[in-house]
Amino acid sequence: AQKVTQAQTEISVVEKEDVTLDCVYETRDTTYYLFWYKQPPSGELVFLIRRNSFDEQNEISGRYSWNFQKSTSSFNFTITASQVVDSAVYFCALSEATGAQKLVFGQGTRLTINP
Amino acid sequence: NAGVTQTPKFRILKIGQSMTLQCAQDMNHNYMYWYRQDPGMGLKLIYYSVGAGITDKGEVPNGYNVSRSTTEDFPLRLELAAPSQTSVYFCASNQWGGLTKSGANVLTFGAGSRLTVL
Repeated sequence: AQKVTQAQTEISVVEKEDVTLDCVYETRDTTYYLFWYKQPPSGELVFLIRRNSFDEQNEISGRYSWNFQKSTSSFNFTITASQVVDSAVYFCALSEATGAQKLVFGQGTRLTINP
Repeated sequence: NAGVTQTPKFRILKIGQSMTLQCAQDMNHNYMYWYRQDPGMGLKLIYYSVGAGITDKGEVPNGYNVSRSTTEDFPLRLELAAPSQTSVYFCASNQWGGLTKSGANVLTFGAGSRLTVL
């Protein structure tokens, strides 16, 4: 069975600090997808990134970066120079690459950026 | 392009009442899903559908029913509401794209329906 663990329930930092959100996953599939979603206080789910299991390149998008390591089954998310608008709940998720492609979510990490 | 539309946005039910959460998508997506999010928790899959006339149970299906008579609509029915069903419900859809590096396999979520059972 697939499982996603986000061990950090809540993180609080001061604005402009860098912060890393951890994500560890379990799957028996050899091909799969990993995702990060953001849920701001308004409640909607905002897609941030998708990573294929056969593509281990790290990715940077502005202040956001993602470190995918198959050897440790981790897909960590770093925000550089955090801003108050980054305050949200962040979810890591795992999907099978075939079949119904159901998403399995982690418990989420509530990130608070203090001014 | 409306994407995924959920109605109602908020609802309060009494124990034992029934209701249907509506979900409609206008993207001609094959796959549709219902998730629930309990306070402070991640999303859990209730039911999903891979096409009209085909539905299957997810991780937490008890107390719910679904139908998929058209590609566009995927309603979720609560027959006998219980306090344990107090949650935020999200509907999502996906156009299966297989093993590609395209934008396929990214779920489009609705805005959510907040249900309280008292």
